[in-house]
Amino acid sequence: GQQVMQIPQYQHVQEGEDFTTYCNSSTTLSNIQWYKQRPGGHPVFLIQLVKSGEVKKQKRLTFQFGEAKKNSSLHITATQTTDVGTYFCAGATKTIFGAGTRLFVKA
Amino acid sequence: DGGITQSPKYLFRKEGQNVTLSCEQNLNHDAMYWYRQDPGQGLRLIYYSQIVNDFQKGDIAEGYSVSREKKESFPLTVTSAQKNPTAFYLCASSEQGDGYTFGSGTRLTVV
Repeated sequence: GQQVMQIPQYQHVQEGEDFTTYCNSSTTLSNIQWYKQRPGGHPVFLIQLVKSGEVKKQKRLTFQFGEAKKNSSLHITATQTTDVGTYFCAGATKTIFGAGTRLFVKA
Repeated sequence: DGGITQSPKYLFRKEGQNVTLSCEQNLNHDAMYWYRQDPGQGLRLIYYSQIVNDFQKGDIAEGYSVSREKKESFPLTVTSAQKNPTAFYLCASSEQGDGYTFGSGTRLTVV
C-alpha cells in the first residue's frame, strides 16, 4: 500500500541554523500536506501543495513539491526556539501521515 | 469559534473495560477521522467517515468501533479486544481537498 517516509527522524540545531525535512512517497501523490505538532499538543495544518514543482513560502518556512509528485520538503531558515516540535507530511487520498521529524532547537 | 472538541482530555481504563471517546465538530465538515499516536511515533488511521451513516476501517481498526449518526459527532469506542490501548487519540475533520483540523486529543491509559 501507499507509504510516506520522512527523514530525518530527529534533528538538533543551534538557534539561527537552517533545518530541512524530507518526505518521500512510494506512489504519486495527488497532493501533500504539512503539519506541525508542538510537544504535548495536537497537529496543526500548515500548508497543502497540489501542483508538480510547486513552491510555497510562509515567512521563514519554504515548502516544495517534487516534479514527479512523489517527494516534498520543508525548509526553515534561521530556526527559532518557537520552531520546536514535530513536523509531519501527509499524502492524499486517504491521508497517510509520515512518522514525522522532531526538531530540537538549542538557544 | 469553529473547531473540534474531544473529551475527556485524560481517560483511565481498567483491563477488560470498553470506553468511548467523544469527538464533536461545528465546522460543518463532511469527513471525520480517528488517529492513534504512540509516544514518539506518527499518526495511524483507525477509522474514517466521509458522510453520515457511513464509515470505513483504517490501518489499525481491530479492537475499535465507531458510529456516525450525526454530521457533528464521531465517537470512538475502544473495546476490550484492543490489547494495547494506551495511546494518544486524535480526532480530525476536513472538507474534501482541504487540510485537517485536529482536536486537542484524549490520552488513554490502561490501569
